[in-house]
Amino acid sequence: QVQLQESGPGLVKPSDTLSLTCVVSGWSITNGYYWGWIRQPPGKGLEWIGSVYHSGKTYYNPSLKSRVTMSVDTSKNQISLKLSSVSAADTAVYYCARDSVVPAEYFYPWGQGTLVTVSS
Amino acid sequence: EIVLTQSPGTLSLSPGERATLSCRASQSISNKLAWYQQNPGQPPRLLIYDTSRRATGIPDRFSGGGSGTDFTLTISRLEPEDLAVYYCQQYFGSITFGPGTKVDI
Repeated sequence: QVQLQESGPGLVKPSDTLSLTCVVSGWSITNGYYWGWIRQPPGKGLEWIGSVYHSGKTYYNPSLKSRVTMSVDTSKNQISLKLSSVSAADTAVYYCARDSVVPAEYFYPWGQGTLVTVSS
Repeated sequence: EIVLTQSPGTLSLSPGERATLSCRASQSISNKLAWYQQNPGQPPRLLIYDTSRRATGIPDRFSGGGSGTDFTLTISRLEPEDLAVYYCQQYFGSITFGPGTKVDI
């Protein structure tokens, strides 16, 4: 059974870089699927951030592309997200999820999410 | 960017009733549409992909249909645990989500 667990600082200062990791268990991230990050501001809807393959190939949301870096560590079976120059608008629950075998399709399953607050 | 519009914003029904949720795309997205259920305090759960294919473990009272720009999610007989927000998501272009429909039971 695939399980995903996000982790990282819960509080980030404005203009800093947000860094999160997602450890995958029950499935090797080299086993054919893309892996994605999605976020949800408190009380609001969902926004796709991007998707990454174990080779390092990435697909980003055009609206966030200039600030996003996603990477993989196959030795730790984990994926990572970096979002630079954050502001209060980046406050959200950040989810990682398994994408499809084709990049940027649908997501199953999802991690429980981690809340990141941007505040000084 | 492909914009998704969902209606109604809130749907208030009783257990056993049929729920029909709508999702409209700003341009044709073929069948590249998924539906998610998000219960309070939980991550979204994939219900339907490719417009009408049920995800693993999803009961057959959930069904999806449509094509082009107009899509529906139908819950044939509402259960109390179906209280949730339902999101549609397109993947024809760069992924976007609809604003959600809240189902009150």
